[in-house]
Amino acid sequence: EPEVTQTPSHQVTQMGQEVILRCVPISNHLYFYWYRQILGQKVEFLVSFYNNEISEKSEIFDDQFSVERPDGSNFTLKIRSTKLEDSAMYFCASVSGGAGEQFFGPGTRLTVL
Amino acid sequence: AQSVTQPDIHITVSEGASLELRCNYSYGATPYLFWYVQSPGQGLQLLLKYFSGDTLVQGIKGFEAEFKRSQSSFNLRKPSVHWSDAAEYFCAVGAPNNNDMRFGAGTRLTVKP
Repeated sequence: EPEVTQTPSHQVTQMGQEVILRCVPISNHLYFYWYRQILGQKVEFLVSFYNNEISEKSEIFDDQFSVERPDGSNFTLKIRSTKLEDSAMYFCASVSGGAGEQFFGPGTRLTVL
Repeated sequence: AQSVTQPDIHITVSEGASLELRCNYSYGATPYLFWYVQSPGQGLQLLLKYFSGDTLVQGIKGFEAEFKRSQSSFNLRKPSVHWSDAAEYFCAVGAPNNNDMRFGAGTRLTVKP
């Protein structure tokens, strides 16, 4: 069964560094998403991406964040100049299109020291 | 934008007892509705979803949920809880026109022996 994959599973970085979180959505899916879950809190929407551009973003998704689909398979989330409060689990999701169940990846745990 | 409320932060039930987790949503039209389960340190697993049609939906692991438009609710139920059901449960609401999804704050389920 096709699934969304994410790498790395755990990323540790120093405050102020840049990180790139990678996701490989399901191959025929057209809509892509990033969510964040701070430890013990709810899952928060960050951004949705369709047709090679951002379709919606939340207040959390400020200039520190960017997304990219650099090739036909990867979907990345870049966090510039990381802060301690960026420590969280980051989930990628994809949808085939139209009426959609989002399929979630296993997440990347980001720890900012 | 759509939103969802889960009024109960933490619920404790005895093994074998019935369970109902509450979810209320806010959206101008008929939304897409989802319940996800998350075990500690794990990703999100879809239990069930509602897009249209029969308002009582069956999911995996013996769960069901009922969409009640008049109450803007989508409560999750299980007739007999098992110890392995202990986890965090998230209700989510999606907008059919853009696939974007918002999560509730979650309900933590503890199962007593």
